[in-house]
Amino acid sequence: KNEVEQSPQNLTAQEGEFITINCSYSVGISALHWLQQHPGGGIVSLFMLSSGKKKHGRLIATINIQEKHSSLHITASHPRDSAVYICAVGSSRLTFGEGTQLTVNP
Amino acid sequence: DVKVTQSSRYLVKRTGEKVFLECVQDMDHENMFWYRQDPGLGLRLIYFSYDVKMKEKGDIPEGYSVSREKKERFSLILESASTNQTSMYLCASSSSSRGQPQHFGDGTRLSIL
Repeated sequence: KNEVEQSPQNLTAQEGEFITINCSYSVGISALHWLQQHPGGGIVSLFMLSSGKKKHGRLIATINIQEKHSSLHITASHPRDSAVYICAVGSSRLTFGEGTQLTVNP
Repeated sequence: DVKVTQSSRYLVKRTGEKVFLECVQDMDHENMFWYRQDPGLGLRLIYFSYDVKMKEKGDIPEGYSVSREKKERFSLILESASTNQTSMYLCASSSSSRGQPQHFGDGTRLSIL
């Protein structure tokens, strides 16, 4: 069993839909990261959180430490949100989930 | 903005060759990392370094070595490339200060023929 599990593996949505990607982890953590990877490979850090909730534009990340669970929400999704979203846990050395491939159709 | 630059986007080499992948960061970060990314396996840590001339094995160090002679540069070396090392390789850097994210390069897609 992986230490970090994401669901779903693949997600297709229509433009404007509300999207949720989930991440569960089995180890104690100091921080949880949400990353975005566009086609071509570059990875961008979206959020780093250790408690509660963070919001940036249409993106919201939440974490429940007791349940060892985090969610990434995208409101009013857009085709440019199509990417792989990766959950990772740790402070300097990270353990990664396998990623969720999101496709948003116009 | 932090810039992490990998020397090549695409690289094709032959089995048995010695392969060097270079990574340079411009933000004076202490920590640098080399990952490989394969379908269905996600990102896996090969080696990391938390200071010049310091290195730590990650989860899959076999067949690889690293060099960090200067703070801004972290090199990954495939001593004798094999076909199972065909993969996407990503470099990242981060500050050693608490609560800092990693910054990634664009990746090198390496094919070993």
